[in-house]
Amino acid sequence: DIVLTQSPGALSLSPGERATLSCRASQSVSSAYLAWYQQKPGQAPRVLIYGASSRATGIPDRFSGSGSGTDFTLTISRLEPEDFAVYYCQQYGSSPRTFGQGTKVEIK
Amino acid sequence: QVQVQESGPGLVKPSETLSLTCNVSGGPISNKYWSWIRQPPGKGLEWIGYIYYSGSTNYNPSLKSRVTISVDTSRNQLSLKLSSVTAADTAVYYCARDRGVAVALRYFDSWGQGTLVTVSS
Repeated sequence: DIVLTQSPGALSLSPGERATLSCRASQSVSSAYLAWYQQKPGQAPRVLIYGASSRATGIPDRFSGSGSGTDFTLTISRLEPEDFAVYYCQQYGSSPRTFGQGTKVEIK
Repeated sequence: QVQVQESGPGLVKPSETLSLTCNVSGGPISNKYWSWIRQPPGKGLEWIGYIYYSGSTNYNPSLKSRVTISVDTSRNQLSLKLSSVTAADTAVYYCARDRGVAVALRYFDSWGQGTLVTVSS
């Protein structure tokens, strides 16, 4: 199985600041088949980024993804109040599909 | 816009079988992969397995011996059965759809709201 390790576990930032979240894979992720999801309390996850760097439909351009191989990054350029949530990376190039353990972005 | 809704018992006894249904509306179940994913309270996400509308399945090896996913295209519905449950199976269970059939599109683009299943006597 591909193990995804996210860092940091939690990030305390203020609205307007930049957030940088990391996802490291235990082996290369095929063709950058990596997605990022946002989850708010009591809600299902929502896809933000797929293919490592493509924004899903309706996702604001302050969200961007990058990376390849084993190292991937989600960047939120300027945090809005609605962006404080938990973020998960997930690979879908190999079976079983696996998720990282999540990074919580909280208000400082 | 497809809508996905999970349903089933909220409480299951240890050693019994957990059974959930996922109803899909606003679009056909056909030509898509559909997954079950779970999330223990306060923890991360675990992929359980998927089914293609034709009936082919792929399960997470960690659960494979206990999982059955099936589909009923006439009712636009899929189901999950997990046998011999323990307290470790207590989780919110989600049904989710892949964006497309090509590997490049096999990320989850539509999710149900999830249903909490507690395993307890």
